[in-house]
Amino acid sequence: RKEVEQDPGPFNVPEGATVAFNCTYSNSASQSFFWYRQDCRKEPKLLMSVYSSGNEDGRFTAQLNRASQYISLLIRDSKLSDSATYLCVVNTGGFKTIFGAGTRLFVKA
Amino acid sequence: DAMVIQNPRYQVTQFGKPVTLSCSQTLNHNVMYWYQQKSSQAPKLLFHYYDKDFNNEADTPDNFQSRRPNTSFCFLDIRSPGLGDTAMYLCATSSDSGGLEEKLFFGSGTQLSVL
Repeated sequence: RKEVEQDPGPFNVPEGATVAFNCTYSNSASQSFFWYRQDCRKEPKLLMSVYSSGNEDGRFTAQLNRASQYISLLIRDSKLSDSATYLCVVNTGGFKTIFGAGTRLFVKA
Repeated sequence: DAMVIQNPRYQVTQFGKPVTLSCSQTLNHNVMYWYQQKSSQAPKLLFHYYDKDFNNEADTPDNFQSRRPNTSFCFLDIRSPGLGDTAMYLCATSSDSGGLEEKLFFGSGTQLSVL
């Protein structure tokens, strides 16, 4: 079983749609959680951290469920510029950061 | 202003010919990482340095070595590249915040092609 698993997609949605991505992780001792965004042939860039209480940044909402070892990302009012791969990232401590393979999103006009 | 700089952006090498990729940072971060990312796959951690302390992942092939001569620079040496080493190599840094909130700052990557 992979340490961090994501639905690879792709998700094809129209502009303005709401889309949700899910991620599960296997190490119950994992300490911190993030979503990164990666454009084609570019480096990953931090989108947001994920907290147990849930957190929101504009159109983006992230949620963590430690009991189920599950992380989610919700994007509201999708823009063309949101098209990218979204990477679920888990830090298991000791500077070990594990990436999921990513979920591809295509937003169409 | 680039904070983590990788050179070169693209590198082509021949099967078995040693190659070195470089990374520098202006963030003064303690921790530097090397990740390998193959097409449509997750970035895979190869190793990291905490200051001068080197930490190798258990499944990183011996063919991959690293050097960190000072805080700012880190090198990835591939001693005898194989065709399967064709990938994007990503350098990243983080500050030591006690293991929590270890946000990574990435360079733009080096796309290595082994022919």
